[in-house]
Amino acid sequence: EAEVAQSPRYKITEKSQAVAFWCDPISGHATLYWYRQILGQGPELLVQFQDESVVDDSQLPKDRFSAERLKGVDSTLKIQPAELGDSAMYLCASSLALDRGLYEQYFGPGTRLTVT
Amino acid sequence: GESVGLHLPTLSVQEGDNSIINCAYSNSASDYFIWYKQESGKGPQFIIDIRSNMDKRQGQRVTVLLNKTVKHLSLQIAATQPGDSAVYFCAETRYNQGGKLIFGQGTELSVKP
Repeated sequence: EAEVAQSPRYKITEKSQAVAFWCDPISGHATLYWYRQILGQGPELLVQFQDESVVDDSQLPKDRFSAERLKGVDSTLKIQPAELGDSAMYLCASSLALDRGLYEQYFGPGTRLTVT
Repeated sequence: GESVGLHLPTLSVQEGDNSIINCAYSNSASDYFIWYKQESGKGPQFIIDIRSNMDKRQGQRVTVLLNKTVKHLSLQIAATQPGDSAVYFCAETRYNQGGKLIFGQGTELSVKP
């Protein structure tokens, strides 16, 4: 069964350092999402891509966060500099075709970030 | 403001009993709802969805009920098993939001053997 892949699974970094997360969506999925999930809460959308284009980054803290999906396949989310409040689970999800009303999102296992 | 929330943060049930997890939403324009299950250390897993033109949908051991009058959503799990122990989230989206999901806080389901 196809899955969304993410790496690393766990990351510990010191504040003010740079950190990057990688996501490989399910093959053929045009839409890719990055979410942040604080412990005990539901995921919150950071950025949404349709192919290589950003369609929603309204909740992305652009002073320190950046995301790219250069070839419309895998994606990288970067934080620079990391702050203590960035400690969370970062989840990647993908879906097949929003323009056909296929909204089901498949989530990866996430990257657990701890900033010290 | 817009929100999707859950009435109960924790739910403990006996193995074999039925479970009901509730969710409230505040925006009547919401037209698509999804229930996700999240086990410890894993990403959310799709369970079942329902569109606003329906009031009930059944899956394998799960049923989702939608009451648009009171903006309420529930997930019923029949014959709850230990493997059902997890945090359950409801999420909403609207077609004009391009698939953007708004998640509730979550309910932790604990199944006692």
